[in-house]
Amino acid sequence: QLQLQESGPGLVKPSETLSLICSVSGGSISSSSDYWGWIRQPPGKGLEWIGSMYYSGTTYYNPSLKSRVTISIDTSKNQFSLNLSSVTAADTAIYYCARRYTGRPFDYWGQGTQVTVSS
Amino acid sequence: EIVLTQSPGTLSLSPGERATLSCRASQSVSSTYLAWYQQRPGQAPRLLIYGASSRATGIPDRFSGSGSGTDFTLTISRLEPEDFAVYYCQQFGSSPRTFGQGTKVEIK
Repeated sequence: QLQLQESGPGLVKPSETLSLICSVSGGSISSSSDYWGWIRQPPGKGLEWIGSMYYSGTTYYNPSLKSRVTISIDTSKNQFSLNLSSVTAADTAIYYCARRYTGRPFDYWGQGTQVTVSS
Repeated sequence: EIVLTQSPGTLSLSPGERATLSCRASQSVSSTYLAWYQQRPGQAPRLLIYGASSRATGIPDRFSGSGSGTDFTLTISRLEPEDFAVYYCQQFGSSPRTFGQGTKVEIK
């Protein structure tokens, strides 16, 4: 059974970089069938796709965040990560990592991690 | 960007009743790339329907999806207590992948 687990600081200061890691177990992050993504949910609001990555390194970002987002993969650790730079209070949200099989929507999700941007 | 508009915002129903949720797209979406998720309080979203009408693994058959083009529907035939939650539609056929704003199904 595939499992995903987010980790990282729960509090980030304005203008700094938010960094999160998603650890994958029960399967290989190098699978040629899978895409790995990040989605966030501000308090009391809906879901926003941040971006996705293929194991080969190809990335796809939401244009609204593209200038600030980097998603990368570490196949040796079976992990992928999210960096979001120059954060503001508007970036306060629960951040989820998830897996998408080719041609399918996100079917495996992490439990989510709360990130608050505040000084 | 494809905007997905869900209606109603809130649906107040009793256990055993039928729920019909709508998702309307600002431009045509291939059925292949339309999904529905359920989110219970404090939990991550759970995939219910993919390809507009195919149930994900382990999803009860009281959940069904239909539609094409710009109009899609999620139907819950008989509401169980655990079905009271927020439901989101998503398109992932074009970038950016977008979600609807959600429909909350609450106990009447």
